[in-house]
Amino acid sequence: NAGVTQTPKFQVLKTGQSMTLQCAQDMNHNSMYWYRQDPGMGLRLIYYSASEGTTDKGEVPNGYNVSRLNKREFSLRLESAAPSQTSVYFCASSKKSTGGTRYNEKLFFGSGTQLSVL
Amino acid sequence: EDQVTQSPEALRLQEGESSSLNCSYTVSGLRGLFWYRQDPGKGPEFLFTLYSAGEEKEKERLKATLTKKESFLHITAPKPEDSATYLCAVRTSGSARQLTFGSGTQLTVLP
Repeated sequence: NAGVTQTPKFQVLKTGQSMTLQCAQDMNHNSMYWYRQDPGMGLRLIYYSASEGTTDKGEVPNGYNVSRLNKREFSLRLESAAPSQTSVYFCASSKKSTGGTRYNEKLFFGSGTQLSVL
Repeated sequence: EDQVTQSPEALRLQEGESSSLNCSYTVSGLRGLFWYRQDPGKGPEFLFTLYSAGEEKEKERLKATLTKKESFLHITAPKPEDSATYLCAVRTSGSARQLTFGSGTQLTVLP
């Protein structure tokens, strides 16, 4: 079972370069997310897509754009990379919560992209 | 502002030496507390969800508990394969789709 697949696994960019991180899931999940993970700071949400055709900003969206290409794919674009964007990026997906006040969203994560911006 | 603090940052145990990891939270309107395990070079893997004070969940050597201010992940007789970083996260009534993660506890179990 592939689950959530991210490409590339590693990338080195120079300041000002652009790139797109790709993410695809094969679990028929409605919701998809992009997180970044920095030492000592935990995972922080960059953008999410609650369903196909919608995207919303998370905690740290500045410098990023996203595209929900279809139900399976959710890409993250850095238009002009900065050293502050050096991080490990994780894509995740989940089934949509089904009503009530309990959010039973079990996130499935990809294996991450380690990005260095010089 | 929602805050999640995990302690200790790192923990080294001998195989078989039981211990607990702590996740304290300051949030308004808890809607779920989540525990994840993360192995080096991998994404986090879901372990448990807890919703209300007094609730407990178990899986093999792990047991998660929840109070109104904190959650504990108890590890009984750990094995080296339990070595990983353990993350907790909360979802609240004020955070539409976001989980707020703690920075994790790095657990090392020595043979």
